[in-house]
Amino acid sequence: NFMLTQPHSVSESPGKTVTISCTRSSGSIATNYVQWYQQRPGSSPTTVIYEDNQRPSGVPDRFSGSTDTSSNSASLTISGLKTEDEADYYCQSYDNNKQCWVFGGGTKLTVL
Amino acid sequence: QEQLQESGPGLVQPSETLSLSCTVSGGSISRTGYYWGWIRQPPGKGLEWIASIHYSGNSFYNPSLKSRLTISVDTSKNHFSLRLSSVTAADTALYYCARWSMLDRQGWHFDLWGRGTLATVSA
Repeated sequence: NFMLTQPHSVSESPGKTVTISCTRSSGSIATNYVQWYQQRPGSSPTTVIYEDNQRPSGVPDRFSGSTDTSSNSASLTISGLKTEDEADYYCQSYDNNKQCWVFGGGTKLTVL
Repeated sequence: QEQLQESGPGLVQPSETLSLSCTVSGGSISRTGYYWGWIRQPPGKGLEWIASIHYSGNSFYNPSLKSRLTISVDTSKNHFSLRLSSVTAADTALYYCARWSMLDRQGWHFDLWGRGTLATVSA
């Protein structure tokens, strides 16, 4: 099955924009939807992006998702950073061949 | 408001079987459009999908754990369960139950999570 690789950590200042990447190791990123989950310390994950670029109700439009077949990766972009965005972010997709759900290793976002 | 609540033993002896249960409240587990699953998170580490099951019994397993796993669903009790055999310290983790939505109006994602139950493997 494929792997999803994320940077271990990113940091940016409040009000700025940050992008977190998620690279698929084999097979096309376009084959299956990519989801993004936010996990604040001590809390369960919640969805910020589903189906590559859709936001659940209640998620601010500062969060956006995209995919790029040339780099075989998905990206989560957070604009107008707030201290409350500080969290771990996980990408997730589905492996048709192995019939299993796959998570990236997670990225720790620090807003300083 | 629909909720998921995990339950488990807390402490498990090495080589024994970890048994976990997830109770669905506020809604029926017997609905089309959902898979019910388990995801774990070792202390300080990332998320790992373990297994998922449909109320019909159709199930999927993480290939790396499959030989030690059994997932089941009990629609009469509105809950689903996981058994992980031959546990080692590497199985120590916070175990979440989560719902995978396949409904167009809700989107395809893990849209509902429990708070997690910590399982520690230690003698």
